[in-house]
Amino acid sequence: NAGVTQTPKFQVLKTGQSMTLQCAQDMNHEYMSWYRQDPGMGLRLIHYSVGAGITDQGEVPNGYNVSRSTTEDFPLRLLSAAPSQTSVYFCASSLDGTGDTEAFFGQGTRLTVV
Amino acid sequence: AQSVTQLDSQVPVFEEAPVELRCNYSSSVSVYLFWYVQYPNQGLQLLLKYLSGSTLVKGINGFEAEFNKSQTSFHLRKPSVHISDTAEYFCAVSDYDQKLVFGQGTRLTINP
Repeated sequence: NAGVTQTPKFQVLKTGQSMTLQCAQDMNHEYMSWYRQDPGMGLRLIHYSVGAGITDQGEVPNGYNVSRSTTEDFPLRLLSAAPSQTSVYFCASSLDGTGDTEAFFGQGTRLTVV
Repeated sequence: AQSVTQLDSQVPVFEEAPVELRCNYSSSVSVYLFWYVQYPNQGLQLLLKYLSGSTLVKGINGFEAEFNKSQTSFHLRKPSVHISDTAEYFCAVSDYDQKLVFGQGTRLTINP
């Protein structure tokens, strides 16, 4: 059982380039989310999805797009990368969107924008 | 709006010593509280959670936490730490949905 899989693990981008961070889960979870982790700031929610076809913004959505065409996949797109987007990105999933359920995290993507 | 404050950014302790990692939260509604652990170069995994009921919650790897509503705290404790407990620990809160709000993290370093 793979759980939550993120690709790539590392990426270097030039300012203005675009890319997609991939996230897939095999647990048939309805709820998926993206966080960014910055030193001294913990994890902050970027976007989330309560099911296929439904997405919404979190705390720090600017500069990022998401879509959810299947239950399994929840890609995060950077349309025009900026140095401020240098961070570690984590995808998470949980069985449903209720506050008492456990979130399962991927291993992260370390992104550097130069 | 909710917020979480972890009072120590780094905590160094000696092996086999007890440790307490402090967490305070603020919220205008009832909340669920979590502690997640991040081992080096890995994702986060759940240590324990408080949903309701007994205020003392036991988790994996010998950790426990106590929910104190009057002090709005959820401190994490372990009576005797091991080298393998070296990691970053995050306190988090949620209410009716899964939008977790995390604290800044506490880096626990175990010295032999």
